Amino acid sequence: AQSVSQHNHHVILSEAASLELGCNYSYGGTVNLFWYVQYPGQHLQLLLKYFSGDPLVKGIKGFEAEFIKSKFSFNLRKPSVQWSDTAEYFCAVNAANTGNQFYFGTGTSLTVIP
Amino acid sequence: DAGVIQSPRHEVTEMGQEVTLRCKPISGHDYLFWYRQTMMRGLELLIYFNNNVPIDDSGMPEDRFSAKMPNASFSTLKIQPSEPRDSAVYFCASTLDADYNEQFFGPGTRLTVL
Repeated sequence: AQSVSQHNHHVILSEAASLELGCNYSYGGTVNLFWYVQYPGQHLQLLLKYFSGDPLVKGIKGFEAEFIKSKFSFNLRKPSVQWSDTAEYFCAVNAANTGNQFYFGTGTSLTVIP
Repeated sequence: DAGVIQSPRHEVTEMGQEVTLRCKPISGHDYLFWYRQTMMRGLELLIYFNNNVPIDDSGMPEDRFSAKMPNASFSTLKIQPSEPRDSAVYFCASTLDADYNEQFFGPGTRLTVL
């Protein structure tokens, strides 16, 4: 079965620090990759997505992610975090030919200290 | 469109009671998903529908859980009888009838079973 691993469960950073959250998936076929963000008390929202083309994807609020097929990874990055980035971040995979089913990682909680 | 609508937003009930969660997907979306989010297990897919038909309910924890989608604009998730370990946030999400589309999440229902 497909699975998504997020290695960092809880990350604490100071403002202006750089961020990288890891995401690895297990599926050998064609995948579509997503990062969702959940701000405190809110629902999940799409941060960015990769379907095909340039493996470096830019999303909202200065976030980007790089798809490295050989490593089955889709790590999320931001050069300089802000206090408002404090949230839970979920990586998700939608594997082709799985009937549109999504697989989510367990999430990474990011706390940014002013 | 108002987005995915869920009700109630908060539900507190006693063990043994029946609980019904409701969801209205975005109009035109043919796929509807029910998720459960807990601290211990993260975001889990419970069941999803395509054109009102349940496609995969392998994530439903046990027979106490049931889900229906009587029409394209309404779905329910029922727990009968409820138990304290069912306490979680339950999210509904919908997506278009096509591959490789993002899921749009509702605000969730926070369920507390005493």
